[in-house]
Amino acid sequence: EPEVTQTPSHQVTQMGQEVILRCVPISNHLYFYWYRQILGQKVEFLVSFYNNEISEKSEIFDDQFSVERPDGSNFTLKIRSTKLEDSAMYFCASTGQGASPLHFGNGTRLTVT
Amino acid sequence: QKEVEQDPGPLSVPEGAIVSLNCTYSNSAFQYFMWYRQYSRKGPELLMYTYSSGNKEDGRFTAQVDKSSKYISLFIRDSQPSDSATYLCAMSAGANSKLTFGKGITLSVRP
Repeated sequence: EPEVTQTPSHQVTQMGQEVILRCVPISNHLYFYWYRQILGQKVEFLVSFYNNEISEKSEIFDDQFSVERPDGSNFTLKIRSTKLEDSAMYFCASTGQGASPLHFGNGTRLTVT
Repeated sequence: QKEVEQDPGPLSVPEGAIVSLNCTYSNSAFQYFMWYRQYSRKGPELLMYTYSSGNKEDGRFTAQVDKSSKYISLFIRDSQPSDSATYLCAMSAGANSKLTFGKGITLSVRP
């Protein structure tokens, strides 16, 4: 069964550094998402992306965050200047056209020290 | 009132028990309802996906949605130790709209 793949599985970075989290969505999917889950808390929506542009974003997704689909297969989340509170699991998800459920990757655990 | 509330747990049951997991919500715009299972340090894995009110069954799992009460449930019959995981309810207003998750409940099925 096709799956969403994310790399790296774990990223450690120092406060103030830039990080790029990478995702390869399921190949025929059209809608792409990033969610995050701080330890012990809910999974929270960050941003959705369709037709090469952001379709919706949450208040968490401020100017420090950006997303890109640099080619036909990858989908990236960049955090420009990481803060301690950015430490979380970041999940990429994708879905196809119409009413179909989101499929999630296994996440990247980001630790900001 | 939180948008989606889920029984906090944790929940521990003996093998073979029927498990009932529940979520309530406040946003009447929600139309799509999902249950995900999450193992430690893994991504949410889709279990059930339903649109609007009604029941849906898949093997040992049954999802129920009551939009008039803003209440959804997941029933697990003949629970197995392999069902031990965190269960998340999630819902959205549109087919490809953002999901709003409950906090999740950790289920442990004792052999």
